[in-house]
Amino acid sequence: DQQVKQNSPSLSVQEGRISILNCDYTNSMFDYFLWYKKYPAEGPTFLISISSIKDKNEDGRFTVFLNKSAKHLSLHIVPSQPGDSAVYFCAASADTGKLIFGQGTTLQVKP
Amino acid sequence: NAGVTQTPKFQVLKTGQSMTLQCAQDMNHEYMSWYRQDPGMGLRLIHYSVGAGITDQGEVPNGYNVSRSTTEDFPLRLLSAAPSQTSVYFCASKFTSGTGQSYEQYFGPGTRLTVT
Repeated sequence: DQQVKQNSPSLSVQEGRISILNCDYTNSMFDYFLWYKKYPAEGPTFLISISSIKDKNEDGRFTVFLNKSAKHLSLHIVPSQPGDSAVYFCAASADTGKLIFGQGTTLQVKP
Repeated sequence: NAGVTQTPKFQVLKTGQSMTLQCAQDMNHEYMSWYRQDPGMGLRLIHYSVGAGITDQGEVPNGYNVSRSTTEDFPLRLLSAAPSQTSVYFCASKFTSGTGQSYEQYFGPGTRLTVT
């Protein structure tokens, strides 16, 4: 039972354009959502998060949108840069500890 | 601060062998956890600990043991390795003390384990 799903295994965009990564969840008890970025041979690093009481959180080029009624969140990267090429994981938490991760989406930003 | 460190970086085991994956953090984080990453599966929680002396199971605990004798260290033990345990293992920690709660976990660089 996959509680957090990233249905697009990969995404390719042109440098300077917008990248939109999507994530769906099934557990309505999730109250906090995070995005992590992972480069090859490194551990995941935290990118941005959002509480369930908000519908948008912005940090520089990165914006996360949360649609609770649809149980859907998305990460927007504008403008996309080649250094953004990585695997992106969304994660959700129903308490302050355990994170449930999606399968990941590999983003390639072409120069 | 070194953050979260893991040793070894790579390990090859034969079926039935045992080993311990080491994890240490120097950020005085109470919460520590172990994940495994497999292709198409994302990161799955194996075990976690909310403080010294306290551990609990995650999504995929079978075949793994943990203990937490100090705040800094959280080793993961494979008692009898199986090919299904071939994976990349990540240790993570986060701050939980005080009035604020933090969901952000800091990850180590990972251990790539192959069981033949």
